[in-house]
Amino acid sequence: RKEVEQDPGPFNVPEGATVAFNCTYSNSASQSFFWYRQDCRKEPKLLMSVYSSGNEDGRFTAQLNRASQYISLLIRDSKLSDSATYLCVVNLEDANAGKSTFGDGTTLTVKP
Amino acid sequence: NAGVTQTPKFRVLKTGQSMTLLCAQDMNHEYMYWYRQDPGMGLRLIHYSVGEGTTAKGEVPDGYNVSRLKKQNFLLGLESAAPSQTSVYFCASSPEGSTNEQFFGPGTRLTVL
Repeated sequence: RKEVEQDPGPFNVPEGATVAFNCTYSNSASQSFFWYRQDCRKEPKLLMSVYSSGNEDGRFTAQLNRASQYISLLIRDSKLSDSATYLCVVNLEDANAGKSTFGDGTTLTVKP
Repeated sequence: NAGVTQTPKFRVLKTGQSMTLLCAQDMNHEYMYWYRQDPGMGLRLIHYSVGEGTTAKGEVPDGYNVSRLKKQNFLLGLESAAPSQTSVYFCASSPEGSTNEQFFGPGTRLTVL
């Protein structure tokens, strides 16, 4: 079983749709959680951190469920520019130098 | 600030050749990382460093060596390239601590024939 698992998709949605991605992790010692966005043939960039209480940034909402060991990303009112691959990232505690484990990514295509 | 830069951007090698990939960051970050990304997959950690003069193995270290002689630079070496090392290589850096964002370079696309 992979340490971090994501539904690879692809998710094909129309503009304006709401779409949700889930990510599960296996290591209960995981401390920090992130969603990164990666455009085709580009480097990953941080989309948002995921906090225990859940957090929102504009059209994007991230949730963490430690008991069930999963995180989620909700995108409302999808835009064409949201088309990308979304990577779930989990960090271990500081003793492991903040090493990150990346999911394989979920591909989103938003169509007109 | 340039952020994280990588040299070269593209490279084609023949099996058995060697090369060094250079990563440089100007953000005074303590931690630096080398990843590889194969098509349709996430990033896998090759080696990492928690400070100048230190290195450690990641998930897929075989066939690679690294050095961090200066805080701002992290070098990845391939001593004898193999076709299985064809991939996109990303370098990243972050401040100390597991809660911090990693900043990535633009990547190096390596093909081994």
